Amino acid sequence: QKEVEQDPGPLSVPEGAIVSLNCTYSNSAFQYFMWYRQYSRKGPELLMYTYSSGNKEDGRFTAQVDKSSKYISLFIRDSQPSDSATYLCAMKRTGGFKTIFGAGTRLFVKA
Amino acid sequence: EAGVVQSPRYKIIEKKQPVAFWCNPISGHNTLYWYRQNLGQGPELLIRYENEEAVDDSQLPKDRFSAERLKGVDSTLKIQPAELGDSAVYLCASSFDRGDYEQYFGPGTRLTVT
Repeated sequence: QKEVEQDPGPLSVPEGAIVSLNCTYSNSAFQYFMWYRQYSRKGPELLMYTYSSGNKEDGRFTAQVDKSSKYISLFIRDSQPSDSATYLCAMKRTGGFKTIFGAGTRLFVKA
Repeated sequence: EAGVVQSPRYKIIEKKQPVAFWCNPISGHNTLYWYRQNLGQGPELLIRYENEEAVDDSQLPKDRFSAERLKGVDSTLKIQPAELGDSAVYLCASSFDRGDYEQYFGPGTRLTVT
């Protein structure tokens, strides 16, 4: 079993929809939870991060962490065609130096 | 400020041939990472450098892969000889410090081995 599981999709939604992207993990020592966005033929770029549990909001994006269920989510409100990309969840332990990435979910937002 | 620079962007080689990838991290970033990303997968760490020292190379196939980061700045990853299964995108990333949660990625080198 992989340490981080992520549904690869693809996920196709109409413009303006609310998108929910999710990851599960098995290592309870993870404390940093990141979401990276990767456009085609580009490297990943950090979108949001959360330390420990709770919610974090940044514009149209909200990250949630439920440590009791070992489950994290990224919500995108009012999705735009420019949000079409692969979204990678990533995690690391406090004091750890290795980041574990999920497989990524491909998102298509149709105009 | 320039981001992480990688070259070449694309490389096509025949199996058993050697290949090398180059990375220049963001200025001032002490930690440098090489990842391999297979199609439909997330990046997997091959090697991590703290300045010029390789501190985590447990996932690097040492029989055919080698890396160096002379002077603790730019880095080269080499494969010799390449195998069909090495076809992937090779990503370089850097961070200011080894404990940073944020890594800055280059655009990657897409390697195709025929």
